Amino acid sequence: AQSVSQHNHHVILSEAASLELGCNYSYGGTVNLFWYVQYPGQHLQLLLKYFSGDPLVKGIKGFEAEFIKSKFSFNLRKPSVQWSDTAEYFCAVNERGKLIFGQGTELSVKP
Amino acid sequence: DAGVTQSPTHLIKTRGQQVTLRCSPISGHKSVSWYQQVLGQGPQFIFQYYEKEERGRGNFPDRFSARQFPNYSSELNVNALLLGDSALYLCASSSTWRAGNTDTQYFGPGTRLTVL
Repeated sequence: AQSVSQHNHHVILSEAASLELGCNYSYGGTVNLFWYVQYPGQHLQLLLKYFSGDPLVKGIKGFEAEFIKSKFSFNLRKPSVQWSDTAEYFCAVNERGKLIFGQGTELSVKP
Repeated sequence: DAGVTQSPTHLIKTRGQQVTLRCSPISGHKSVSWYQQVLGQGPQFIFQYYEKEERGRGNFPDRFSARQFPNYSSELNVNALLLGDSALYLCASSSTWRAGNTDTQYFGPGTRLTVL
């Protein structure tokens, strides 16, 4: 069965800093990958997804992620974070219709 | 359009009781999945239903059961509650289901269950 690993449990950044959150999944083949975000007091929302094609995927709110098949990775990036990006971020892989989530990364952005 | 809705929002139960959680998918979506999110962890898959049939089951005990109705809404039942069942229970809907599913799952706000 797939597993997903997110490298950082808690990341603290100042506004305008660049962000990269790591995500690795356990084995290859055809994968569908997702990043979800959970803002304080809100439900899980889809940030972006990769199904096939261009490995650089752009999502909402200026986020992007790069799928690197050889590294089993799908890292999330944003060039300049804002205070409003404070949230918990989850990477997930689709395995036969079910989502396998990582443990999440809590991002705190200081104004 | 309304998103995924869940009820109730919060629930407090005592050990040994039974609970039923409800979910209505996005209009036009035929697949519903249930996840358990324990504090500090990512959501864990419990069940997936499509066209009223169970299509997937996670590693949860038989105390957990679910069903999907003809209008595609769903219920999750948990019997003989344990303290460890305290969690946020999330429902997600997607338009269809295939073994190699590429459909995006959209999540509801969840039901916060506290077991005392």
